[in-house]
Amino acid sequence: EADIYQTPRYLVIGTGKKITLECSQTMGHDKMYWYQQDPGMELHLIHYSYGVNSTEKGDLSSESTVSRIRTEHFPLTLESARPSHTSQYLCATITDTQYFGPGTRLTVL
Amino acid sequence: AQSVAQPEDQVNVAEGNPLTVKCTYSVSGNPYLFWYVQYPNRGLQFLLKYITGDNLVKGSYGFEAEFNKSQTSFHLKKPSALVSDSALYFCAVRDHPWGDDKIIFGKGTRLHILP
Repeated sequence: EADIYQTPRYLVIGTGKKITLECSQTMGHDKMYWYQQDPGMELHLIHYSYGVNSTEKGDLSSESTVSRIRTEHFPLTLESARPSHTSQYLCATITDTQYFGPGTRLTVL
Repeated sequence: AQSVAQPEDQVNVAEGNPLTVKCTYSVSGNPYLFWYVQYPNRGLQFLLKYITGDNLVKGSYGFEAEFNKSQTSFHLKKPSALVSDSALYFCAVRDHPWGDDKIIFGKGTRLHILP
């Protein structure tokens, strides 16, 4: 993986809680992405950003929201977590190649 | 619209044998093609890419891939498989780097190397 950091790596939380998954990168890349992936399954693009104050929804509808106030950070928020949100969330940037962070494995009980 | 297909959900290969993981693509322009590997509870790791030039691309961990324009394929290969190669492999395609900035991923192929 490149210099993309995601925290926490693992999170187990109860239904109804608000959570924020952090993603940061030190490469100064403008474009950042969030993917959702069930274990061993395909990737689904849920959000992307082309720079500060730019956010777009991806191909898969998601109840999460994102913000991009600084180039380095692209946090993802779930206002009220549900068991259906249990999944792995991968953050990525892109130049001519897409680079991924290590992922956050979220479990909602 | 661009798309990528990995026709095999799973590939089993004996250790020491050559391996091939198949990928075909569809794009409107010139393709940028990628292979990634994913180990359990990890993000995707970049293996190799084809942008232009030699059709045979060499990447990390002894992997290589051959771009075949006529067959619209980009199969991943390795001459001698290792048990440690067991992982989930994703092929990806991008039309060109400065337009559509989304990479389309295949559904993944699980590679099992049998000792």
